[in-house]
Amino acid sequence: RKEVEQDPGPFNVPEGATVAFNCTYSNSASQSFFWYRQDCRKEPKLLMSVYSSGNEDGRFTAQLNRASQYISLLIRDSKLSDSATYLCVVNPVPSGSARQLTFGSGTQLTVLP
Amino acid sequence: GAVVSQHPSRVICKSGTSVKIECRSLDFQATTMFWYRQFPKQSLMLMATSNEGSKATYEQGVEKDKFLINHASLTLSTLTVTSAHPEDSSFYICSAGRGADGYTFGSGTRLTVV
Repeated sequence: RKEVEQDPGPFNVPEGATVAFNCTYSNSASQSFFWYRQDCRKEPKLLMSVYSSGNEDGRFTAQLNRASQYISLLIRDSKLSDSATYLCVVNPVPSGSARQLTFGSGTQLTVLP
Repeated sequence: GAVVSQHPSRVICKSGTSVKIECRSLDFQATTMFWYRQFPKQSLMLMATSNEGSKATYEQGVEKDKFLINHASLTLSTLTVTSAHPEDSSFYICSAGRGADGYTFGSGTRLTVV
């Protein structure tokens, strides 16, 4: 079983749509969770961290369910510029420690005009 | 914000030659840097963890004699792909952790071996 699993997509949605991505992780001791965005042929960029209480940043909402080892990302009112690959990322040690991140394979999103 | 500079961004080399990729933290000290490789339509796979002043830690299946890592200072880590072959063609990305501030990635190096 992969350490971090995501639906690869692709998700093709019209502008203005709401889209949700899911991710599961296998290491129950994981402590830090992130969503990164990666544009084609570019480096990943942090979109948002994910907390147990859930967090929202504008049109983006992230949720963490530790019991189910499940992370989600919701994008409302999709824009064309949201088209990218979204990477679910898990760090098995507390934030603040230098430790490698474990990446999901990414979910590809295309927002259509 | 934190900046990690990676150079070169793109390189084409002949089979059998060596290529060096540099990763610099510009406004912070990075005792640890990470080197990833990403093949088309696949996720980033950690190759090795680079530790300043000590030997790098390689992930299983990554040949340490082929992918030489040097982290001689707190702001510079280098990855040298020795005797490159076409199957080494990939996107190589470094990153540095900034503790609670998260991780910053270099812009990546696209290596093509012909």
